[in-house]
Amino acid sequence: QVQLLESGPRLVQPSETLSLTCTVSGGSISGYYWSWIRQSPGKGLEWIGFIHYTGRTNCKPSLKSRVTISVDTSGNEFSLRLTSVTAADTATYYCAKYDSGTSTYLDYWGQGALVTVAS
Amino acid sequence: QSALTQPASVSGSPGQSITISCTGTSTDVGGYNYVSWYQQYPGKAPKLIIYGVTNRPSGVSNRFSGSKSGNTASLTISGLQAEDEADYYCISFTSIETYVFGTGTEVTVL
Repeated sequence: QVQLLESGPRLVQPSETLSLTCTVSGGSISGYYWSWIRQSPGKGLEWIGFIHYTGRTNCKPSLKSRVTISVDTSGNEFSLRLTSVTAADTATYYCAKYDSGTSTYLDYWGQGALVTVAS
Repeated sequence: QSALTQPASVSGSPGQSITISCTGTSTDVGGYNYVSWYQQYPGKAPKLIIYGVTNRPSGVSNRFSGSKSGNTASLTISGLQAEDEADYYCISFTSIETYVFGTGTEVTVL
């Protein structure tokens, strides 16, 4: 059973960089696509981007200038960096795994990490 | 890239059937059979309930079913139960190889 766990600072200063890591256990990161999703308090889900274990990535166009998603296959983890954050980036950030077949749906999710942007 | 449109809320009595729509465009919902649906309880991570428009993962109740017509995908919950009270989200693959979520629907069991 694959398990995902988000880790990183829960409080980030405005204009700084948000950094989160998703550690995968119970399975290998290799062979799959992985994703970051966020949810602002009381709001809906927002897809941020995906990364393949080979390093291929894509992300939501409106976030592209601020988002970097990377993968560390030796550490069995992948990461999210979001620069120049504002209060609007306050959200619960989820990491998730794409299925092994079509790689088009998210079959395993982390528990989520609430990150607050405030001074 | 606009969010897919879902009704903000849908309600029904126990035992009834309800349907949640998810409307996009020909560059997302209408263009691909890669729509999935997620159920989310407050404070919890979303759970996959439908993938590939109509497919149900192992362990998900057969009261959940999915369909698509044109640019609109739909999730139907039949035999509504109290435990179905949750938020539901659709998500679709898009023509620029990204994904876009729906606006979310709160289901209330009366």
